Amino acid sequence: DIQMTQFPSSLSASFGDRVTITCRSSQIITHYLNWFQQKPGEAPRLLIHDVSNLQNGVPSRFSGSGSGTDFTLTINSLQPEDFATYYCQQSYSNPWTFGQGTRVEIK
Amino acid sequence: EVQLVESGGGLVQPGGSLRLSCTASGFIFSSYSMNWVRQAPGQGLDWVSYISYNRNTIYYADSVKGRFTISRDDAKNSLYLQMNSLRTEDTAVYYCARFDILTSNFDLWGQGTLVTVSS
Repeated sequence: DIQMTQFPSSLSASFGDRVTITCRSSQIITHYLNWFQQKPGEAPRLLIHDVSNLQNGVPSRFSGSGSGTDFTLTINSLQPEDFATYYCQQSYSNPWTFGQGTRVEIK
Repeated sequence: EVQLVESGGGLVQPGGSLRLSCTASGFIFSSYSMNWVRQAPGQGLDWVSYISYNRNTIYYADSVKGRFTISRDDAKNSLYLQMNSLRTEDTAVYYCARFDILTSNFDLWGQGTLVTVSS
């Protein structure tokens, strides 16, 4: 199975900050990397698919990059509604696996 | 409205069985492959099972193989998960998630249903 490792596991940031979350896969997954946002008590929401493609309706302050085994999610100018947990996920091979999550908290 | 609605969760004793349902609306259910993904309390997301749009391909996570069965009824726009021989470690919120084959991702999720396995 492909292992997905995210870091940091949590971070504290202020409104307007730029935040970067890193995700590393245990083997090359080419471009098959997705990012999800989950708020407490809610279902996950797809933010970015295939490394850098924003899902419809996702604000442009979110962006993704990377290739091979190393990927990043960047949130520019953090907004109140962005405080949540973020998960990376590989869809390169089954079983599809998720990172352990990065919790973004208010400083 | 495009949505998925899960039902069937509840409290069950270890060794018991439960059947989850997921009803789709607002899109052509029969054209989509579907998944179950679970989340234990305070934990991350774990993929559980996949069924292709034509039922030709079914996958299970090793942790549930031989105990869980995924199925679908396109006439009822419904996805199911039959869970047998339940263990305490199966306690989780279970989400159904639509699979976009073109981009290989879970692009639509239900609100989840809680399964608690406890004596």
